[in-house]
Amino acid sequence: ETGVTQTPRHLVMGMTNKKSLKCEQHLGHNAMYWYKQSAKKPLELMFVYSLEERVENNSVPSRFSPECPNSSHLFLHLHTLQPEDSALYLCASSQVGYGYTFGSGTRLTVV
Amino acid sequence: DQQVKQNSPSLSVQEGRISILNCDYTNSMFDYFLWYKKYPAEGPTFLISISSIKDKNEDGRFTVFLNKSAKHLSLHIVPSQPGDSAVYFCAARGRGFQGAQKLVFGQGTRLTINP
Repeated sequence: ETGVTQTPRHLVMGMTNKKSLKCEQHLGHNAMYWYKQSAKKPLELMFVYSLEERVENNSVPSRFSPECPNSSHLFLHLHTLQPEDSALYLCASSQVGYGYTFGSGTRLTVV
Repeated sequence: DQQVKQNSPSLSVQEGRISILNCDYTNSMFDYFLWYKKYPAEGPTFLISISSIKDKNEDGRFTVFLNKSAKHLSLHIVPSQPGDSAVYFCAARGRGFQGAQKLVFGQGTRLTINP
């Protein structure tokens, strides 16, 4: 499979649950990103990984915990989320000098 | 502090006419600008870009104009087609680290092409 793949596509979780979002890229890119898209807001950068090392954490609450075990995989571990965390979570990857390739996103609803 | 702004949340255009989407930015250090298009239930896809050293880039029906003195860019689509109906995001590239890039996005403009 090519491109950037995100699973699951939809997720409903309670505030006490623990869940993980998965992102996989088969493009040979060396950087991966998590973005959050809320209604009527810009895409907000959450985390940046380059060469499997986290190079940016944009003041994201600790209830979001990223993990990048290798250059092709990126996870976002979620625990004790709040209803305001409901949003579309987008993963992207890039190679030096080029723009992003996005996944289709995970639509998260916290109840 | 929003560095990239798309002040029109929505735009409606007649099929065949020109669609003009606007974007303003505040950071003069941005070196590259991109437009992404997003359909419902899909991730954004790259549409067209422009380097800060240019003022125009054209690709088929899509043209992006950059006015650095005004810190303004625009996307022109002509002629507009029903398949162009989507949300369009403007993005600007800031300084990245270790080969990663940092794209700062606007809020998006929902374009609707009416038949």
